[in-house]
Amino acid sequence: GQSLEQPSEVTAVEGAIVQINCTYQTSGFYGLSWYQQHDGGAPTFLSYNALDGLEETGRFSSFLSRSDSYGYLLLQELQMKDSASYFCAVINRDDKIIFGKGTRLHILP
Amino acid sequence: NAGVTQTPKFRILKIGQSMTLQCTQDMNHNYMYWYRQDPGMGLKLIYYSVGAGITDKGEVPNGYNVSRSTTEDFPLRLELAAPSQTSVYFCASSYSDSGYTFGSGTRLTVV
Repeated sequence: GQSLEQPSEVTAVEGAIVQINCTYQTSGFYGLSWYQQHDGGAPTFLSYNALDGLEETGRFSSFLSRSDSYGYLLLQELQMKDSASYFCAVINRDDKIIFGKGTRLHILP
Repeated sequence: NAGVTQTPKFRILKIGQSMTLQCTQDMNHNYMYWYRQDPGMGLKLIYYSVGAGITDKGEVPNGYNVSRSTTEDFPLRLELAAPSQTSVYFCASSYSDSGYTFGSGTRLTVV
């Protein structure tokens, strides 16, 4: 079977750094993606990792370790607008993308 | 480009009624997907398509049907609506496996 685990909630302070972890169990793993979703909105694509290592896109970075079946999303210089849910998603070789249950990020002023 | 367009945005159905959720994309993407999202939960894959004429079941296909006669359109059909199908439905498309573009969603209530 397939499963993804990520924390249900994380709280951080404005201007700080926060890391959201994701562990996965799947067959035919191809890559790991991250999506952001604000309340009432649609998910929006943030990043994609197919190879081990860190991918940086502005204030957001994503990391993958294929040997550990583990990845994380790192958000720096947190802003209040970053308050949202963040989903990790596994892409498999059968073209399916399976999403985790999401991490609700709360940002305190 | 409009991206991924879903209609309607909201709908209330009575138990046993049928309806089609429309999804169209103008990005010439081969891959298209239907997800449902229950309150406070992640997205569950209902059906997906890797190209015109090809569809496959996802995690939760029961009670739904799809077709993909053109690259642009990927409608989702509910034949006999049930309260368990109350959810927000998202259509998405992609050119490759790396990143999806989502539609704005259809909020469906079955009463």
